[in-house]
Amino acid sequence: ELKVEQNPLFLSMQEGKNYTIYCNYSTTSDRLYWYRQDPGKSLESLFVLLSNGAVKQEGRLMASLDTKARLSTLHITAAVHDLSATYFCAVDIKTYDKVIFGPGTSLSVIP
Amino acid sequence: GAGVSQSPSNKVTEKGKDVELRCDPISGHTALYWYRQSLGQGLEFLIYFQGNSAPDKSGLPSDRFSAERTGGSVSTLTIQRTQQEDSAVYLCASSLSSGRETQYFGPGTRLLVL
Repeated sequence: ELKVEQNPLFLSMQEGKNYTIYCNYSTTSDRLYWYRQDPGKSLESLFVLLSNGAVKQEGRLMASLDTKARLSTLHITAAVHDLSATYFCAVDIKTYDKVIFGPGTSLSVIP
Repeated sequence: GAGVSQSPSNKVTEKGKDVELRCDPISGHTALYWYRQSLGQGLEFLIYFQGNSAPDKSGLPSDRFSAERTGGSVSTLTIQRTQQEDSAVYLCASSLSSGRETQYFGPGTRLLVL
């Protein structure tokens, strides 16, 4: 069964702290996406990770991909309130020519 | 350039009525998806169109739901005999040429079935 899991599903953290969101999946894949959804808004693409060992960084967010472990991480450094949103990973499934979304991690950064 | 647009942005309907939701993808994008997102929940895949291929309808929750894509561009999602559990945000996304590329999402249609 194709499964994409995220951990944690809900995260409340203080400004200035670091934390990591995990995305693991159950089938072979070599491409993974991270999206952000602000409250009441639609999804926006954050990162595309195209190969094993890929690392992308944008501001306080850094994403990485380990295809052998079937795991991607989204690391938050020195969180600020503006990062409060729901973060989705989406795993490319070549066989089915589509991506499968994880359930999302709702992040709340508290001043 | 113009992004993905959806209409209406909000729709309130009575139980048992039919509704049509429209999606205009980014020009030149051949892949188009419909998702449903209930309040505070993740994305539920509904249907995927890719070029002239038969659509992947594996996510449609019941035969009350259908979708079409005319001329490889605009898509319409139709829900017949709406039920209260159909209340959700319906999101459309498009990507350039396959289901394996970055998807660009529209703003969504918020459907409320009374």
